[in-house]
Amino acid sequence: SQQGEEDPQALSIQEGENATMNCSYKTSINNLQWYRQNSGRGLVHLILIRSNEREKHSGRLRVTLDTSKKSSSLLITASRAADTASYFCATDAFRTNAGKSTFGDGTTLTVKP
Amino acid sequence: DTEVTQTPKHLVMGMTNKKSLKCEQHMGHRAMYWYKQKAKKPPELMFVYSYEKLSINESVPSRFSPECPNSSLLNLHLHALQPEDSALYLCASSLGTAPYEQYFGPGTRLTVT
Repeated sequence: SQQGEEDPQALSIQEGENATMNCSYKTSINNLQWYRQNSGRGLVHLILIRSNEREKHSGRLRVTLDTSKKSSSLLITASRAADTASYFCATDAFRTNAGKSTFGDGTTLTVKP
Repeated sequence: DTEVTQTPKHLVMGMTNKKSLKCEQHMGHRAMYWYKQKAKKPPELMFVYSYEKLSINESVPSRFSPECPNSSLLNLHLHALQPEDSALYLCASSLGTAPYEQYFGPGTRLTVT
């Protein structure tokens, strides 16, 4: 099965609210990345967090990593309609070939204006 | 220039056709990737090139043949495809292999009839 699984599969919120998405994985990792994909388009990199880091921020984004629970969360604060997209976590598993990122199933976020 | 370009944007081909997908980047990245993405699914890694050499082949059928003519170009040659190969094909590049962020192109929407 997929290295990463995301929860929830779909999330619908009002503009201005916060959105939280979770990613769980099965094996030890070197790092975890979050990407955004607008419908039918390429992916855009959001944040990379290494296995020895616990939290990172970038603008309205906050990512946490709990390696003991093999999970990560992405928080988007003060959401905007433009944040509507699918969000994927991608893991680089420990001791695998460099460059092999495995993507989770993704969370589809809808932000209503 | 922080862009990965892919051509064509859309491609319809018959099962007996031979076609090629092209990907180009001018960011000096030395790792390039092909992914396949079915609707409402995460991207699945197909191939990784590192310094113009194929470093990962995820057991992709031989009807898909990658080529990296130089550090800026990546091709995916298609021959005798099946209808189930219809998908969005994404190209990405990164400075090196993990743990670098990947920059994605907009994708080629392939339909096999």
